[in-house]
Amino acid sequence: AQKITQTQPGMFVQEKEAVTLDCTYDTSDQSYGLFWYKQPSSGEMIFLIYQGSYDEQNATEGRYSLNFQKARKSANLVISASQLGDSAMYFCAMRESDKLIFGTGTRLQVFP
Amino acid sequence: EAQVTQNPRYLITVTGKKLTVTCSQNMNHEYMSWYRQDPGLGLRQIYYSMNVEVTDKGDVPEGYKVSRKEKRNFPLILESPSPNQTSLYFCASSPSVGDATNEKLFFGSGTQLSVL
Repeated sequence: AQKITQTQPGMFVQEKEAVTLDCTYDTSDQSYGLFWYKQPSSGEMIFLIYQGSYDEQNATEGRYSLNFQKARKSANLVISASQLGDSAMYFCAMRESDKLIFGTGTRLQVFP
Repeated sequence: EAQVTQNPRYLITVTGKKLTVTCSQNMNHEYMSWYRQDPGLGLRQIYYSMNVEVTDKGDVPEGYKVSRKEKRNFPLILESPSPNQTSLYFCASSPSVGDATNEKLFFGSGTQLSVL
C-alpha cells in the first residue's frame, strides 16, 4: 500500500538559514507525483512544489527545492533563506492516479 | 477567480443532528475529494469523485455520505454526527484523474466542525 512518512513532528530554524523537511514514500507504481503543501496558522492549504517520478532534475520554485532521491524513495523539501512567514505546517503528499495521500506533517518554526 | 468554495467555515452541532457541508468549484474540474485533518494524523481522504455520478470511498468513509449530481458541487453529508467526527474538513479538486499524477489539488478554505 502506498504510504508517506514525515518523521519530524517539529523543526526550528533561524531566520535566513536553510532548512530541510524530510519525506519518504512507499509505492509499487512507476508513475507517481510528489507534492509539498504549506498550511499557515490561518488554515488554508497552499501548494508549494511538485516532482514527477520520471523527472530527472530536482524541482525548484523560488526558495523551495525538492531533493528527490528515487532509489531511496525520499522527497525532502529544502527551504533556503528562511523567513518568519515560513512558520507553518508542511505536508508531503503523493499522487497515484485517483488518490492523493498525505503525510502527518512537520511544524516549522522560524525564529529571529 | 478560480476557487473551491466550502461552507460553512465553522460549524458547531450536537450528536445525531444531520448536517451538510457544501463544496463548489468553478474550474470545471472532473476530480473532487473530501479530507479530514486531525492532529498527528495529517489529512485523510474520506470520499472522492472522478466525475458526475461517480464516487468512491477513501480511507475513512464511515459515517459520511457524498453525492456528485453536478460537476461543480460535491457536498459532504453527516447523517448522524458523532463527537469523533469533530475535525477540520477540506474539499479539494483537480482537473482530471487517471495518469495525471502531476495535477495538484486545489483546496477550499476548510470547515472546522465540532460535534458536542
